[in-house]
Order: sequence, then structure tokens, then C-alpha cells
Amino acid sequence: DAKTTQPPSMDCAEGRAANLPCNHSTISGNEYVYWYRQIHSQGPQYIIHGLKNNETNEMASLIITEDRKSSTLILPHATLRDTAVYYCIVRVAGGNTPLVFGKGTRLSVIA
Amino acid sequence: EPEVTQTPSHQVTQMGQEVILRCVPISNHLYFYWYRQILGQKVEFLVSFYNNEISEKSEIFDDQFSVERPDGSNFTLKIRSTKLEDSAMYFCASSVQGNYEQYFGPGTRLTVT
Repeated sequence: DAKTTQPPSMDCAEGRAANLPCNHSTISGNEYVYWYRQIHSQGPQYIIHGLKNNETNEMASLIITEDRKSSTLILPHATLRDTAVYYCIVRVAGGNTPLVFGKGTRLSVIA
Repeated sequence: EPEVTQTPSHQVTQMGQEVILRCVPISNHLYFYWYRQILGQKVEFLVSFYNNEISEKSEIFDDQFSVERPDGSNFTLKIRSTKLEDSAMYFCASSVQGNYEQYFGPGTRLTVT
């Protein structure tokens, strides 16, 4: 089972920042936080991942709390194309572990 | 930008028939995966594959399933005798190394009638 808890749905106005929370209170020291999204029935798309430091790439920013028990994915300027299901996944570093998907958060970006 | 490709995009088959789903992973990737998603449900891991052998498999991946890398580019999932409950989207994924991010293909929608 997934080791993360996410709200089932969120709305965001187009052009505003979308902040998607994730709780992973049982995360271990050697586990990363990964974020993926799935637009309609397409294949999941990798967004970003981090261990304990905040991370930023061209798609999003990932803020991880100091105790690593929760994180927030930030889409700085949401567009209609960002409407998707967003998955927060905890995964062991090293090895070849599969991704364990939960139900994710359905983000609706509204014009 | 390189991407994972899958064929066919939609496969319809009769119960009891064999199907082969095909994937072309990203060329320099060494780790390959199959996942499935039954309509309205979560994405579920099936199997991972590295160095021409299965690394890990889930309970779903029973004797009816097999995977193969028949040449240097293709990665296939075979279902020997399909059941109605095998109807799902099947996603192939690949990663350059095992603990790196996985890149997913667009999926094959399998419909078993």
C-alpha cells in the first residue's frame, strides 16, 4: 500500500500557484519523495523528486519539511493543461524498487 | 526528447486468447517495468526487468504473464490466456538506472471480451 496521504481533489485558478500537499509521516531516512502526474488516461509523467532539500525544476518546486513527514508540490503558474491526478510516492533510494501509486490528488485548474 | 513508445494503442481480444503487448524503452535505459491500471483504479506494479531477467514481480504477475526482451530495443508483456479481469491500461516504463526516475509510455488499452 501507498505510504502517503493526499487530499482527493483540489481546485486552482488558472495563473495562480497550485500547492499540493502530501503527508508521509512514516518515511524512512533512505526514502525519497517522488511526484508524478497522470493527465486523463495517459501514462504517468515524472515531475520531480527529493530527499530532504527543497528541489526545483522547469515543471515544479518540491518543498519538504525539516522532519520530512510532509511535502508540498508547487506548480507556480497553473494552466489548464496542468489538470491531472497528482501522485506523491515514497520510494527507497538505491536498488530497483517499483513505484507504489495511491489514489493521488485530482487537481482541476479553472479558467 | 526521447520517449517510451507502446504498440498497439488498443487491443481487443477474446477470453482465453494470448496477447503480446510491445514497448520500446528509451534507448540508453537499462531497467524496464510494466504497470497496469484497471479503469477507475490505481496504477499497479506488475514486474521489473534488468539484465535480461525479472528483478521483482507483484502478486498480479502470475504464471499467465511473461516478459521478454527479444532484441536490443523491444520489451514485451505476454498474457498467455486472457481473462475478463485482465482488461486494463498497460503501461511500460523505463529508467536509466534502478533508482532513477521512471519514464512511462502512453499505454495499451487491453479489452478482453
